[in-house]
Amino acid sequence: NAGVTQTPKFQVLKTGQSMTLQCAQDMNHNSMYWYRQDPGMGLRLIYYSASEGTTDKGEVPNGYNVSRLNKREFSLRLESAAPSQTSVYFCASSEWIPGNYGYTFGSGTRLTVV
Amino acid sequence: AQSVTQLDSHVSVSEGTPVLLRCNYSSSYSPSLFWYVQHPNKGLQLLLKYTSAATLVKGINGFEAEFKKSETSFHLTKPSAHMSDAAEYFCVVTRNTGGFKTIFGAGTRLFVKA
Repeated sequence: NAGVTQTPKFQVLKTGQSMTLQCAQDMNHNSMYWYRQDPGMGLRLIYYSASEGTTDKGEVPNGYNVSRLNKREFSLRLESAAPSQTSVYFCASSEWIPGNYGYTFGSGTRLTVV
Repeated sequence: AQSVTQLDSHVSVSEGTPVLLRCNYSSSYSPSLFWYVQHPNKGLQLLLKYTSAATLVKGINGFEAEFKKSETSFHLTKPSAHMSDAAEYFCVVTRNTGGFKTIFGAGTRLFVKA
């Protein structure tokens, strides 16, 4: 099925460890995003990529880096994980053309940092 | 500047009764407005969207929402709740021209009693 695929689905890290969350979409969308979801706070944008070759900071970028590897793939890296980064992470993609506004979300990565 | 407020963090209804989830927004721009649904341990799924066309928007699973500019509201309704509607619902506002200034509401959890 067409959509956004995230890996892994679950991860436990120790404080200070690093990891990369992977995201791939097969809808030929130009824009891709990484969000984190915390209870009572909705979704907050970490980084986004408006198109292949560009990335920009969102609302909460500290402690994260991203790579837009190609049009399909957008990865999120935690260089030195902290307990405050315990969250559910969602990747999304979009193509903002008339009649087709809106995001397609992946199923999420549940990350726990101990 | 944009903001979105979901007026209820939790709503509980009985199966077969109407559902009302309230959302108020503010935006300096012509907004696009969305409702997304998230079932437990799943990603977000688009329910419906308003993008400056008809003010009464119909979505999937019998949901609809009305854009009221004078009241800056975009409330989500359904005539008759079903057990499968139990989930968290997010109201989202964004600029009409793109997805990089998108604000998610904090979410409303809907409980449906048998």
